[in-house]
Amino acid sequence: GAGVSQSPRYKVAKRGQDVALRCDPISGHVSLFWYQQALGQGPEFLTYFQNEAQLDKSGLPSDRFFAERPEGSVSTLKIQRTQQEDSAVYLCASSYLPGELFFGEGSRLTVL
Amino acid sequence: TQLLEQSPQFLSIQEGENLTVYCNSSSVFSSLQWYRQEPGEGPVLLVTVVTGGEVKKLKRLTFQFGDARKDSSLHITAAQPGDTGLYLCAGADGGTSYGKLTFGQGTILTVHP
Repeated sequence: GAGVSQSPRYKVAKRGQDVALRCDPISGHVSLFWYQQALGQGPEFLTYFQNEAQLDKSGLPSDRFFAERPEGSVSTLKIQRTQQEDSAVYLCASSYLPGELFFGEGSRLTVL
Repeated sequence: TQLLEQSPQFLSIQEGENLTVYCNSSSVFSSLQWYRQEPGEGPVLLVTVVTGGEVKKLKRLTFQFGDARKDSSLHITAAQPGDTGLYLCAGADGGTSYGKLTFGQGTILTVHP
């Protein structure tokens, strides 16, 4: 497709379950970002990839959060042992030029 | 930590009215962006301002970057129901080459017909 694609769009998990969220960026975009957006808030930075290299993971809230982009294209954000405070929309964005981010529609995670 | 404060948080107006949204920080940003986000969608970039004092116009929307590059405003003239949405400002961290963004908490705009 022409845009950033994220799946699943909606995920309901029981507390303690592991979840995996997928991001398929725009073809050719070197940079990939993950953001977390709580209800009624602006997005907060989680992590950044340049190709397959994770250059910044300063925003990951705990060691339960893990992201990878093994071949420099598709990325997966994994959350282990989910907690209720992990409930949020997880946004993926890709870019070719610095600062020109194209966001996906997000994956809404609800932890019960 | 760089923070961006947006005001107001909520804005409910009638079609045809004008409005201004403010974005303020104590930090200097290398550039500042404005996004619009609709429910169930990701943010969509409206504009990027780079130079202190810069003014950009996009149809009925006027964006201004403060002289000190710490604040910005978005002015909408003759608002229409289609302008309804969440407006986000985001500052780029000049300390990174990849443009790491810090977002404000957003302004929810509702324009009533």
